[in-house]
Amino acid sequence: AQRVTQPEKLLSVFKGAPVELKCNYSYSGSPELFWYVQYSRQRLQLLLRHISRESIKGFTADLNKGETSFHLKKPFAQEEDSAMYYCALTRVDSNYQLIWGAGTKLIIKP
Amino acid sequence: GAVVSQHPSWVICKSGTSVKIECRSLDFQATTMFWYRQFPKQSLMLMATSNEGSKATYEQGVEKDKFLINHASLTLSTLTVTSAHPEDSSFYICSAEKSSYEQYFGPGTRLTVT
Repeated sequence: AQRVTQPEKLLSVFKGAPVELKCNYSYSGSPELFWYVQYSRQRLQLLLRHISRESIKGFTADLNKGETSFHLKKPFAQEEDSAMYYCALTRVDSNYQLIWGAGTKLIIKP
Repeated sequence: GAVVSQHPSWVICKSGTSVKIECRSLDFQATTMFWYRQFPKQSLMLMATSNEGSKATYEQGVEKDKFLINHASLTLSTLTVTSAHPEDSSFYICSAEKSSYEQYFGPGTRLTVT
């Protein structure tokens, strides 16, 4: 079954500390993975996707096929990073629909 | 950029009435749009896939007669919640596909059924 798992519902770290948001997936084909972010009272927006291998707002994520993971990392957290983060996988066999993780709420403490 | 709008942003309606939510891609054409539902403290749930000029594809468990989707043009999809009930109260979010792997989300519509 195709599934995205984000094991942490809530992650709280101090400003300046490293951040790692975990995402594991289960997919029979070649996955395309994304991280989306939803800041308070704002729309959901794409943060990054693994095929572009870019770094946005200091965040990076590497696809590890051996561990079926796509963890989101940032070396030094900032207060404005506080938000809800969703990991998602696209179903390339079905109109590129997204399969969502449950989301992790990230709180950056001053 | 790519902007997707939704209207209304929030709506309150009485039980038994119908509510229409619009999703528009403002600066690009979208053959495919998706409708999601977000329950409090839960992740997004895909309700249906809307393709311009054809019938929507509904996810298992989503009543197509209750949640009517019309994708009349390349920039507009509508979701109509018919005979709304309090359990339909939720946050409805649409997304529009600009290209493969590239989806842009609307700000969402909060529906409250009293």
